[in-house]
Amino acid sequence: NAGVMQNPRHLVRRRGQEARLRCSPMKGHSHVYWYRQLPEEGLKFMVYLQKENIIDESGMPKERFSAEFPKEGPSILRIQQVVRGDSAAYFCASSPLAGYEQYFGPGTRLTVT
Amino acid sequence: GIQVEQSPPDLILQEGANSTLRCNFSDSVNNLQWFHQNPWGQLINLFYIPSGTKQNGRLSATTVATERYSLLYISSSQTTDSGVYFCAVLNSNSGYALNFGKGTSLLVTP
Repeated sequence: NAGVMQNPRHLVRRRGQEARLRCSPMKGHSHVYWYRQLPEEGLKFMVYLQKENIIDESGMPKERFSAEFPKEGPSILRIQQVVRGDSAAYFCASSPLAGYEQYFGPGTRLTVT
Repeated sequence: GIQVEQSPPDLILQEGANSTLRCNFSDSVNNLQWFHQNPWGQLINLFYIPSGTKQNGRLSATTVATERYSLLYISSSQTTDSGVYFCAVLNSNSGYALNFGKGTSLLVTP
């Protein structure tokens, strides 16, 4: 059973470009969570989605960030007009049910130049 | 929100030594997980342990939910144990978001 998959593993963007991060949950998991780890900081929750629904986006910056989890395909975290402060590791996690153990992907390391 | 404190913040061990990492939390929890972030940045699930005791090889964990703490034991440490160990908790007030501690950074020397 494959684990949580994220791609790309490394992404470099110039200021003002868009970044798209993809996450495929573990087989049988329909709950997806995105977390961000800024340099020298711990992991912070961003958004929680189920298929086609955003359940909790309380940790998501109000501007430039959006997330989706369509009926078919991976979950996407989209960052528009990236700035240097967006440089971080973005982790996706999935669980079989809400509140159960969350399994993390390898992360996408975004660098904004 | 719920506060999660980990101690010690840093730890240096010689290979073969044992260690105990602690996680204190400020409220009742529905979910507690321990993770190891290896030097390549990957987060490895160690334990899902909202209460009780579990063991997996040289690692074991105990959560005393009524006293709001969890312990992670590493025995006969190896250099591959180096990295950062995170405790993360979830309770009804935090929705379904895991709240992470700041971690314990462990270095095991040969």
